[in-house]
Amino acid sequence: EIVLTQSPGTLSLSPGERATLSCRASQSVSSSYLAWYQQKPGQAPRLLMYGASSRATGIPDRFSGSGSGTDFTLTISRLEPEDFAVYHCQQYGSSPITFGQGTRLEIK
Amino acid sequence: EVQLVESGGGLVQPGRSLRLSCAASGFIVDDYAMHWVRQAPGKGLEWVSGISWNSGSIGYADSVKGRFTISRDNAKNSLYLQMNSLRAEDTALYYCAKGSHYDILTGYCNYWGQGTLVTVSS
Repeated sequence: EIVLTQSPGTLSLSPGERATLSCRASQSVSSSYLAWYQQKPGQAPRLLMYGASSRATGIPDRFSGSGSGTDFTLTISRLEPEDFAVYHCQQYGSSPITFGQGTRLEIK
Repeated sequence: EVQLVESGGGLVQPGRSLRLSCAASGFIVDDYAMHWVRQAPGKGLEWVSGISWNSGSIGYADSVKGRFTISRDNAKNSLYLQMNSLRAEDTALYYCAKGSHYDILTGYCNYWGQGTLVTVSS
């Protein structure tokens, strides 16, 4: 099973700042089958990125993803108030599918 | 518009069974894999199970293997999760999610329902 470790656990930043979230895999994620989801309180997760670097439909271009192999990054270039949420990474290339434990992005 | 509506959750005693359902609409259900993902209170997401478009490929998390059974009825645009021998640690919000591809692997979850809460307690 591929274990995904997200860091930091909590990230405290101000609107307008840049956010960098990390997702590290215990073994290589095949073909960059890595997705990122955003989840706000009381809501279902929403797909942000897939294939490590492709934005889902309707996702603003301030969100970007990068990485390959075992190290992946989600970057939010300039934080908007609505970006403060929990972010989850997921690998979907190997069975079983696994998620990271999440990074909480909070307002400083 | 893609819609996924889960039902069947509730309070159940340890060791008992429960069957979750997910009604899908707004897309051709036959073409896509479907998944169940759960989230324990205050915790992260955990993939539970997935099923390919034609039920030919099925996968489970180790934590539920042998106790849970996923199935689908494309004619009814529905997904199911039969949960047996329930444990306290199965307490969670269970989400139904649409896969982006026909197979379980190589596809991410591009649409999610709002979830149905399962509480296992005596």
